Amino acid sequence: NAGVMQNPRHLVRRRGQEARLRCSPMKGHSHVYWYRQLPEEGLKFMVYLQKENIIDESGMPKERFSAEFPKEGPSILRIQQVVRGDSAAYFCASKNSPGPGDEKLFFGSGTQLSVL
Amino acid sequence: AQSVTQPDIHITVSEGASLELRCNYSYGATPYLFWYVQSPGQGLQLLLKYFSGDTLVQGIKGFEAEFKRSQSSFNLRKPSVHWSDAAEYFCAVDPTDSWGKLQFGAGTQVVVTP
Repeated sequence: NAGVMQNPRHLVRRRGQEARLRCSPMKGHSHVYWYRQLPEEGLKFMVYLQKENIIDESGMPKERFSAEFPKEGPSILRIQQVVRGDSAAYFCASKNSPGPGDEKLFFGSGTQLSVL
Repeated sequence: AQSVTQPDIHITVSEGASLELRCNYSYGATPYLFWYVQSPGQGLQLLLKYFSGDTLVQGIKGFEAEFKRSQSSFNLRKPSVHWSDAAEYFCAVDPTDSWGKLQFGAGTQVVVTP
């Protein structure tokens, strides 16, 4: 029973390149959340997706960042033209039902993005 | 503004001693409250949660937390820490009008000394 799988664990990019982070939710989970953790800070919500739909992207930067969760395959967080300030740990979480306060929110181990 | 505050960035505690981590929140209504632990290189693991009812909640690994409405606090405690409790601890809230997204505090790093 695999948990939330994120890959790669570590990703190094040069400024201006694209970063693609992948998240495979737990089996049966159709709700995915992306969070970003900057150094010395707590996690910050970025985006909430269900299959093929973006439900809440209020935490996403307006430019260069996009997310998708297709019908088949993992959720992808895409960062175009990365800058040094994008260096952070990106965490994905999934759950099997919507609604506030659902206890069954499972986190992946994160992708550490380093921008040179 | 809505916020979650963990006043202590770093705490050092001796193995076997008690531990208390503070968390205060600022929301219009009582949100759902959580404590998560993050070990190095790992994702977050849920320790415990409060939705309603008994204000003293028990979690995994011997942790407990007490919700105090009058103080807008949800402090985490453990009577006797083990070296394996060294980690970063995050308090989080889920406002009842959200879609289930969490707002996290900045975290408290716990170091356990022999």
